[in-house]
Amino acid sequence: AQKITQTQPGMFVQEKEAVTLDCTYDTSDQSYGLFWYKQPSSGEMIFLIYQGSYDEQNATEGRYSLNFQKARKSANLVISASQLGDSAMYFCAMRLLDTGFQKLVFGTGTRLLVSP
Amino acid sequence: DVKVTQSSRYLVKRTGEKVFLECVQDMDHENMFWYRQDPGLGLRLIYFSYDVKMKEKGDIPEGYSVSREKKERFSLILESASTNQTSMYLCASSKQGSGQPQHFGDGTRLSIL
Repeated sequence: AQKITQTQPGMFVQEKEAVTLDCTYDTSDQSYGLFWYKQPSSGEMIFLIYQGSYDEQNATEGRYSLNFQKARKSANLVISASQLGDSAMYFCAMRLLDTGFQKLVFGTGTRLLVSP
Repeated sequence: DVKVTQSSRYLVKRTGEKVFLECVQDMDHENMFWYRQDPGLGLRLIYFSYDVKMKEKGDIPEGYSVSREKKERFSLILESASTNQTSMYLCASSKQGSGQPQHFGDGTRLSIL
């Protein structure tokens, strides 16, 4: 069975600094995808970035990058130059790509607080 | 722009009532999902649907049913609401295909009294 582990319940960072949010995953499948979502206090889940297990390069989207270490089964999210608006819950999720259904398994999340 | 709309942001119902949560997407997505979110547990999948009239159980389907009569609409039904179903409910949709992200609605915070 797949499992996502986010060991940091909360993280603090100062504005303009970089922060890394940890995510480890467990699966015996070779073909999978990893997603990061942001959930502000207003409640909506916002898709940030995606990494496929066969992608050779780490994914990047603006200030977000994914530090993908396949052998260690980790997919950490790096946010560069933090902004106050980055304060939110962040969820890592995984989906097996060989199945017909797009079921996502989520971690329990990390709450990020950006201070001025 | 991608849009998933949930019918209510906040809902208060009584124990034993039949409760309907509605979700509509305007992106012609094949897949639709219902999750519940509880503190410390993350998001857990209740049901999903990959086509009209098709449904599959997720991880916690007990006490819930779903309906998908049209491609754009996916309804979650609490047959007889109980207090342990007080939660945040999130609907999502996605296109078929590898790497396609799920797009979420704003959520419905449901309280069962």
